[in-house]
Amino acid sequence: SAVISQKPSRDICQRGTSLTIQCQVDSQVTMMFWYRQQPGQSLTLIATANQGSEATYESGFVIDKFPISRPNLTFSTLTVSNMSPEDSSIYLCSVGTYQRGYNEQFFGPGTRLTVL
Amino acid sequence: DAKTTQPPSMDCAEGRAANLPCNHSTISGNEYVYWYRQIHSQGPQYIIHGLKNNETNEMASLIITEDRKSSTLILPHATLRDTAVYYCIASNDYKLSFGAGTTVTVRA
Repeated sequence: SAVISQKPSRDICQRGTSLTIQCQVDSQVTMMFWYRQQPGQSLTLIATANQGSEATYESGFVIDKFPISRPNLTFSTLTVSNMSPEDSSIYLCSVGTYQRGYNEQFFGPGTRLTVL
Repeated sequence: DAKTTQPPSMDCAEGRAANLPCNHSTISGNEYVYWYRQIHSQGPQYIIHGLKNNETNEMASLIITEDRKSSTLILPHATLRDTAVYYCIASNDYKLSFGAGTTVTVRA
């Protein structure tokens, strides 16, 4: 299994500012993903973080709002830009492996963001 | 990914088996059925998956109907620590689409 850590674990931010969330994995993985979980809701995939190239965003998410970096196979960042109270959510990174022949994803503990 | 339908909530007694249903009537032949759960304030956790055959691991059993249009996750001896939101996902690629899931409350 993969062990994933995220920083910060939580933050309270003012509207109009930006926050960068870090995701660190204890082993090299091909696939990394970023999800958003709004209060009381399920998880929504934001994007796939691609190593060495631009992230692949899902419908409704754009690079200007959620820029993602993936400089190597163990690390990725998600920035939430120009924040508004609607961005208050838990942001989770996950990694996907096919080591056991199927798509198994491991999730980080999440970053709880509150925007005032 | 095929759409899945789950009951919004269910209760079960500690020590008893919990049977969680999932409908996926439009599932395609190469889509796996995955189950994840999310305990409060944690990231989701993989439980089990299957394609056609029934599967069992140390956490649960997965029963898939012969026509693959529905499945049941079985927690054989539910404990209080099994209280969580359980997600049933049908997928044939690396992306997972989470629905609303079933909130399972295990009561002493």
